[in-house]
Amino acid sequence: GAVVSQHPSWVICKSGTSVKIECRSLDFQATTMFWYRQFPKQSLMLMATSNEGSKATYEQGVEKDKFLINHASLTLSTLTVTSAHPEDSSFYICSALSGRWVGEQFFGPGTRLTVL
Amino acid sequence: QKEVEQNSGPLSVPEGAIASLNCTYSDRVSQSFFWYRQYSGKSPELIMSIYSNGDKEDGRFTAQLNKASQYVSLLIRDSQPSDSATYLCAVREGNTPLVFGKGTRLSVIA
Repeated sequence: GAVVSQHPSWVICKSGTSVKIECRSLDFQATTMFWYRQFPKQSLMLMATSNEGSKATYEQGVEKDKFLINHASLTLSTLTVTSAHPEDSSFYICSALSGRWVGEQFFGPGTRLTVL
Repeated sequence: QKEVEQNSGPLSVPEGAIASLNCTYSDRVSQSFFWYRQYSGKSPELIMSIYSNGDKEDGRFTAQLNKASQYVSLLIRDSQPSDSATYLCAVREGNTPLVFGKGTRLSVIA
């Protein structure tokens, strides 16, 4: 299967700072990437769908000005959590859609964000 | 609203037994069906995809799809303690985002 990387794998920051998370598809081009958030013992929650070269589509209840998504190339999407607060502490996971493997969706290893 | 239902478990099976995980979905136009495994604190890992009615086997895993009944299942043969994880069923129409179930927690007892 395909490989998706994320960086950083974990980050601790102070309240009010911004954090950028990178998601890369390593061995395939991903026209579509997805960003998820998962709180402990809860289900994956889709935050937004990111298409290369266009604006991201955010799910209901997700603030687009707080969670900035950029998908500038076919292998890179970034999520920036702006002015992070403790309630933003979560496990953020990106996923890339592969046309090469008949539309299969592969997940990155996730980024654990802790906001103090 | 599209829904994917799974029994949350935990489903406990002895080592070496067959684990059977089930999933139903509400949207009849769903075209693609997936099973992911998620270990605690880790991201989901794709283990099976199935697109047409019937069975699909890959090693110890068999996915079964019945579109008429809107039912997907995953069988794990010769279950091992390392199979203990949460198994997520997901469905998709076209290239829209996956719709996930809440997952079934599987515990394989040595």
